[in-house]
Amino acid sequence: NAGVTQTPKFQVLKTGQSMTLQCAQDMNHNSMYWYRQDPGMGLRLIYYSASEGTTDKGEVPNGYNVSRLNKREFSLRLESAAPSQTSVYFCASSEIGLAGWYEQYFGPGTRLTVT
Amino acid sequence: EDQVTQSPEALRLQEGESSSLNCSYTVSGLRGLFWYRQDPGKGPEFLFTLYSAGEEKEKERLKATLTKKESFLHITAPKPEDSATYLCAVPPGRSGNTPLVFGKGTRLSVIA
Repeated sequence: NAGVTQTPKFQVLKTGQSMTLQCAQDMNHNSMYWYRQDPGMGLRLIYYSASEGTTDKGEVPNGYNVSRLNKREFSLRLESAAPSQTSVYFCASSEIGLAGWYEQYFGPGTRLTVT
Repeated sequence: EDQVTQSPEALRLQEGESSSLNCSYTVSGLRGLFWYRQDPGKGPEFLFTLYSAGEEKEKERLKATLTKKESFLHITAPKPEDSATYLCAVPPGRSGNTPLVFGKGTRLSVIA
């Protein structure tokens, strides 16, 4: 049981290049999330998918797109990378618990540098 | 607006020196509070869920408590391996499957 996996672990891009971050979970969770984490800013939500077939914007969606490929997989795409997107990206998944309470489980992260 | 505030931002303890971390929140109709531990270079790791005021959960040297306005993470006789950033999070006040609201964390350093 791997939990939440992310690829790649590290990536360096030049300004203007594109790339896709991959995320998969094997816990049969309905909901999946993408966060970025920057020093002093905490975790900021980029996009989330409450269930297969739906996606919604979070706090900082500009410059990103997502695809919920199936129940297991949720990808994050940077179409034209900018230095401001240098960050650590985390994927998470969760299930709805009693009365809407739910804990999220996180992947190991992707460290992205844009030069 | 739903908010989660953690204090202090950073805490440095000697090994064996007990202390507490604070998480205060401003959401209506609290539906749970979650504590996470994050080691450098890793994703947050789930520790506890607390559902109602007065509830307590324990794991090794950690004990989490919840009141109507805040939660505390008590660390008893900490060891260097307890050094990490501790995050708390709550579901937002509105209903539905909307993502957790996270605090910015407390960075704990335990010195041998």
